[in-house]
This record gives sequence, structure tokens and C-alpha cells, in this order.
Amino acid sequence: EAEVAQSPRYKITEKSQAVAFWCDPISGHATLYWYRQILGQGPELLVQFQDESVVDDSQLPKDRFSAERLKGVDSTLKIQPAELGDSAMYLCASSFDRDSLRCNFGPGTRLTVT
Amino acid sequence: QKEVEQDPGPLSVPEGAIVSLNCTYSNSAFQYFMWYRQYSRKGPELLMYTYSSGNKEDGRFTAQVDKSSKYISLFIRDSQPSDSATYLCAMRGDKIIFGKGTRLHILP
Repeated sequence: EAEVAQSPRYKITEKSQAVAFWCDPISGHATLYWYRQILGQGPELLVQFQDESVVDDSQLPKDRFSAERLKGVDSTLKIQPAELGDSAMYLCASSFDRDSLRCNFGPGTRLTVT
Repeated sequence: QKEVEQDPGPLSVPEGAIVSLNCTYSNSAFQYFMWYRQYSRKGPELLMYTYSSGNKEDGRFTAQVDKSSKYISLFIRDSQPSDSATYLCAMRGDKIIFGKGTRLHILP
């Protein structure tokens, strides 16, 4: 069965450094999501793409976070500069379209900022 | 008041017991209701979804929605140690909102 791929799986970085995460959604999925999950909490949406366009980035801290999906396939989420409070699991998910309830999550990238 | 409330647990039950997991919500605009299972260090996986009040069954799992009370439940029958995980409820209006998740331990 097709899966959402993410890399790296783990990342340790010092505060004020830049960090980037990569996601490759399931082939044919037009909608891509980036979520942040703090330990003991549910995932919170950071940004949603429909093809290459951002449809919701209302919860993305735009002073330090950026996301792109240039060709409407894979996506990169960047943090610069990283802060201690950014330590969390960053989950990528994809669905066939924005109305689909069946959302497939990747394994996540666990970020630790020291 | 948060839009979605879910008791974080942990909830420990003996193998074979019936498990009941619950969420309450405040936003009447939510139309679709989902349950995800998340194993440690993994991403969530969709278990079930429903969009109407009533019950939906899938094997050992039953999802129940009561829109009048803004209350949803997930029941697991004949629980197994492999069911030990965090269970997240999620609800969709114009976007998907997740609960905090309930950590479930099934004791052999």
C-alpha cells in the first residue's frame, strides 16, 4: 500500500539554526497538510496545500516558518530560526482532494531543539 | 472552551474487555467525525469515519455519534494488547480539528 514519505525521521538542532523537513505524498493526492504535534497533544494544522497553492496557513508562524510545494507534488517545511518551543513531531499528510475524509499520515519528523 | 475535548488518560483495561473512548465538542458546524489510532513514534492512521448520528461498525470497532449532545464514542470489543495506542478523535467543519488523544493500555 502506498505511503506518505517523510525525512528525516529525527532531527536535533540548536536554537537559532535553520531546519527543513521533506514530505512526499501519496501519488495522485492533490491535498497536502503539514501538522505539528506537541507531546501529549493532538495534531494542529500548520498549512494546507491544494496542488501547489496554499489554501490555509492561518496557524503557520510566518515570521519563522515557511512551506512550499512548488510542483504540486512533494513539499518542504522550513523553520528559521528554530526556537526551543518548536520541539515537536512534524507530520505530513495527504488526501485525494480537500473534501476527502481519508487522510494518510506519514511517520513524522521528531524535532528536538536544544 | 476548546472545540474538541478528549480525556488524555491513560486508560488501562484487561485483555478482552470492552473499551469506551469519548470526545465532546462545541462547534455545531462539525459535519464529519473520525477516529485515528496512533502507535508510539508513528503517524496517526484512520480507523473510522462517520457523518451522521447513530452507530457505525467495523469489525471489533463501533463508532457512535450523538449530535444532539455533541458527543462521540469509539467502542472496542474483545480488546487485544495490539490495541494499545493513542486514540485521537477528529472532527471536520471547514478544517479538521483533533482531540488531544487518549492513551490506551490493554493489559495481557
